[in-house]
Amino acid sequence: AQTVTQSQPEMSVQEAETVTLSCTYDTSENNYYLFWYKQPPSRQMILVIRQEAYKQQNATENRFSVNFQKAAKSFSLKISDSQLGDTAMYFCAFPYTGTASKLTFGTGTRLQVTL
Amino acid sequence: SAVISQKPSRDICQRGTSLTIQCQVDSQVTMMFWYRQQPGQSLTLIATANQGSEATYESGFVIDKFPISRPNLTFSTLTVSNMSPEDSSIYLCSVEWGAGGYTFGSGTRLTVV
Repeated sequence: AQTVTQSQPEMSVQEAETVTLSCTYDTSENNYYLFWYKQPPSRQMILVIRQEAYKQQNATENRFSVNFQKAAKSFSLKISDSQLGDTAMYFCAFPYTGTASKLTFGTGTRLQVTL
Repeated sequence: SAVISQKPSRDICQRGTSLTIQCQVDSQVTMMFWYRQQPGQSLTLIATANQGSEATYESGFVIDKFPISRPNLTFSTLTVSNMSPEDSSIYLCSVEWGAGGYTFGSGTRLTVV
């Protein structure tokens, strides 16, 4: 079975600092996508960043970047220059069967950005 | 990417009643997914809805409790039947619109009293 593990239930970071959220997964697939989603109190699921497994280059989106280690099945999210608006639940997600299917989610990390 | 309109955004319902949640997509999509998010928890897939066929339910979810309709490629409904307080959750629909892109509805916060 494919699993996604987030080992940090809660994290806190000061504004303008950098924080890294961890995610590990298990799969027998070779080509797949990995996702980080943000869920603020509004409960809307917002895509933060996406990584394609066959790309060796780590994905970046402005202040958000990933450290993708395919052999180790690790997919961490780094948030630079943290802002108060980054306060939210963050979920790592992985398609059940690799590239195009339903998503399985990690348990989530609650991130609090403080002044 | 696709845009989803989900309704209602929230509701408070009496136990024993049913609630139907609607999702309208602005483009045609093959598969729609329904998730449940219990308080303080992650998202759990309820079922996958394909147009023209019965939905495929995940372990622990049954059609009698969560009937789903998918009359066309842009619309789907999820009904939560014979509700109990344990059904109090956020329910979200989602679509996969290609090239590894997934969009979510804004969610329905259900409270059963």
